[in-house]
Amino acid sequence: DIQLTQSPSFLSASVGDSVTFTCRASQGISNYFAWYQQKPGKAPKLLIYAASTLQSGVPSRFSGSGSGTEFTLTISSLQPEDFATYYCQHLNSYPLTFGGGTKVEIK
Amino acid sequence: QVQLVESGGGVVQPGRSLRLSCAASGFTFSNYAMHWVRQAPGKGLEWVAVISYDGNNKYYADSVKGRFTISRDNSKNTLYLQMNSLRAEDTAVYYCARDQGIPPGPLVSIDCWGQGTLVTVSS
Repeated sequence: DIQLTQSPSFLSASVGDSVTFTCRASQGISNYFAWYQQKPGKAPKLLIYAASTLQSGVPSRFSGSGSGTEFTLTISSLQPEDFATYYCQHLNSYPLTFGGGTKVEIK
Repeated sequence: QVQLVESGGGVVQPGRSLRLSCAASGFTFSNYAMHWVRQAPGKGLEWVAVISYDGNNKYYADSVKGRFTISRDNSKNTLYLQMNSLRAEDTAVYYCARDQGIPPGPLVSIDCWGQGTLVTVSS
């Protein structure tokens, strides 16, 4: 099974900061890879799919990149509504897995 | 608009069974693969199972294989999760979710989620 390790698990940042999180896979995977945002008590929301394609309706300050075993999600200018937990997911092979999440909190 | 509404959650004793349902509307249900994803209280997301658009292919997480069964009724626009031999560690909010991949192509990502239904396994 492919394991996904997200880092950091917790991040404290200010409005306007640029932040980047990483998701590392235990083996090389194709670009069947996605990023989600989840706020407390809510269902996750798709941000990025195919490693770098912005989902329709998602602000352009979100971007994804990477291939092989390392993938990144960048928020170029953090907004108040971006404070949430972010999860990566691979859809390369079964079983599918999610990373453990990165929680972004206000500094 | 696309809507996924789960039902069937509740409190159940260890070893017992429960069936979750997910009613889909606002899109052509039979054109999409569907997932179940769960989240234990205070924990991260865990993928549970996926079923192809036609119901012919099903895949499971190791943690539920042999105990859970995913199925669908395209005539009723409904997804199911039959959960048997439930354990305390199955306690979670269970989300029904749509994959945005276009069959017969590969899975792409989960673009629509239900609001979730809570399953609590406790004596």
